[in-house]
Amino acid sequence: SQQGEEDPQALSIQEGENATMNCSYKTSINNLQWYRQNSGRGLVHLILIRSNEREKHSGRLRVTLDTSKKSSSLLITASRAADTASYFCATDAGSTSGSRLTFGEGTQLTVNP
Amino acid sequence: DAGVIQSPRHEVTEMGQEVTLRCKPISGHNSLFWYRQTMMRGLELLIYFNNNVPIDDSGMPEDRFSAKMPNASFSTLKIQPSEPRDSAVYFCASSLVPFGGGQETQYFGPGTRLLVL
Repeated sequence: SQQGEEDPQALSIQEGENATMNCSYKTSINNLQWYRQNSGRGLVHLILIRSNEREKHSGRLRVTLDTSKKSSSLLITASRAADTASYFCATDAGSTSGSRLTFGEGTQLTVNP
Repeated sequence: DAGVIQSPRHEVTEMGQEVTLRCKPISGHNSLFWYRQTMMRGLELLIYFNNNVPIDDSGMPEDRFSAKMPNASFSTLKIQPSEPRDSAVYFCASSLVPFGGGQETQYFGPGTRLLVL
């Protein structure tokens, strides 16, 4: 299986609810990033968390990182219909992979109005 | 800044034709990435450049694909000859890699939607 696997593959919630997406990875990392992709668009960077950080906030986003479990979660609070998109985690494994990021397969989030 | 610019945005061509996709990275960025996205295979890294030099092209599907970066502000991805299975959305992304390596934020272009008939 791939480095950076998101769970669930699809999530449907009502506006105002919280959405939680998870990401697991296999190798040691320098940092982990979350991206959003609206339909028909390119990916947009949301947040980066480094391997020595455990939690990070940005607006309605909260990201956690557990390096012992090789997992991360993205929480979107008070979701809006505009949050409907695919969400990808991406890992930077550092020198072993050069300058590349490895993306997961994404979670499709649908927020119903 | 205008962000990463890709052209064309849409391309429809017939099997066997040559296709050239173009990318202008964000000014000052030193890394450039070409990705392909399909429903079946997700987002795949094809090739990336650091300071205009190809670093890893292991994701390039076969010899029909080639990529160049003649200068810091321009890159091309060429498919010759094209096949229906090449139909996908092709993204270019750029980033500023810090001294010593590692990876920071990647900025994606809007993509080129390619359809090979």
